Amino acid sequence: SQQGEEDPQALSIQEGENATMNCSYKTSINNLQWYRQNSGRGLVHLILIRSNEREKHSGRLRVTLDTSKKSSSLLITASRAADTASYFCATTAGFGNEKLTFGTGTRLTIIP
Amino acid sequence: NAGVTQTPKFRVLKTGQSMTLLCAQDMNHEYMYWYRQDPGMGLRLIHYSVGEGTTAKGEVPDGYNVSRLKKQNFLLGLESAAPSQTSVYFCASSPYTGTRVPEQYFGPGTRLTVT
Repeated sequence: SQQGEEDPQALSIQEGENATMNCSYKTSINNLQWYRQNSGRGLVHLILIRSNEREKHSGRLRVTLDTSKKSSSLLITASRAADTASYFCATTAGFGNEKLTFGTGTRLTIIP
Repeated sequence: NAGVTQTPKFRVLKTGQSMTLLCAQDMNHEYMYWYRQDPGMGLRLIHYSVGEGTTAKGEVPDGYNVSRLKKQNFLLGLESAAPSQTSVYFCASSPYTGTRVPEQYFGPGTRLTVT
């Protein structure tokens, strides 16, 4: 079963605007990661946030984590056409950190 | 470095046929994974391996077998293909890092159609 559910399923914004997508999960986690998938390609790791962290930044990316609500958000600022892709959250839980459970993804389209 | 490579890129099978998907990584990673991706479902873990000679079941292992005879290779086999196995298959690898959580590195995918 899917651990994470992304919201919205699809998002279209104008280039230069900010994009926010959310991920909710069901069980306690060790950490949460975000991945990007360009059409027809494999996934690429973007950022990781641990369960004891609340916010993390990497370039134009900002990730927040609220463990009390079992949710995370990914903000992409000043969007570019190259940001058009699907974005997935993935979590690890339990004793091992080797397995990821992926959400269903948000399809982001940046309109030039 | 080529990273993670997958062979073949595309394949069409008839129901009942068998095939093997090959994943290779040149990063000396301990962990390797096979996922399938279906529309609206995200990625689901089929099998994984935490080291040479080891394999373990993931979320959706039925109808698949795997082998990790060499550290750099992870094979996914379909013994008797079914239309429900039509999907895009991704291989991934990650390093062993002790307590640090590793990111996964993905291959480009194999698009499999079973008719």
